[in-house]
Amino acid sequence: NAGVTQTPKFQVLKTGQSMTLQCAQDMNHEYMSWYRQDPGMGLRLIHYSVGAGITDQGEVPNGYNVSRSTTEDFPLRLLSAAPSQTSVYFCASSYPNTGELFFGEGSRLTVL
Amino acid sequence: GENVEQHPSTLSVQEGDSAVIKCTYSDSASNYFPWYKQELGKRPQLIIDIRSNVGEKKDQRIAVTLNKTAKHFSLHITETQPEDSAVYFCAATMNSGGSNYKLTFGKGTLLTVNP
Repeated sequence: NAGVTQTPKFQVLKTGQSMTLQCAQDMNHEYMSWYRQDPGMGLRLIHYSVGAGITDQGEVPNGYNVSRSTTEDFPLRLLSAAPSQTSVYFCASSYPNTGELFFGEGSRLTVL
Repeated sequence: GENVEQHPSTLSVQEGDSAVIKCTYSDSASNYFPWYKQELGKRPQLIIDIRSNVGEKKDQRIAVTLNKTAKHFSLHITETQPEDSAVYFCAATMNSGGSNYKLTFGKGTLLTVNP
């Protein structure tokens, strides 16, 4: 099992550019989510999905889109990058009937 | 929505001492409280969790206590070791039917264990 795989690990964007952070899991988890981590702010939920075809907004969804066409994949799209989106992004997944979130290694995004 | 406050933001202890990190939550409906450890440059990993039908849970040197009335829960680490140095996050959610998909995290505590 590879677990939760995120790509890319590092990315630099210019303001206004768009990009997609990829997340894939091979544990057949129904639940997947995206968090951003900023210094002193903890982990904040951006979007989550409870199964293929179902997504919903978290605490800080503005500027981000998600889709869930398969159980395995949950990409995060930045539509028009802004410096405020400079952050470390974590994808996480879990079974619906357990508590543990399994995190990916993170993607560090810098927007200039 | 849920709001989780975590204190202290930094904690420095001597090896062998105990460390205590405290969290409060706002939503009385929350019933699942995990703790995650994040080493420098790594991903967060679950170290212990507690559900609202339990007041205390232990796992070797780590314990978590929950006071539902006061809406606070704490992480206790005994006999600290240098490898316990990390950022610790508490979290809370209403776990409905086993789902925990809206975890709200505290802002984290940087624990430093000095040899």
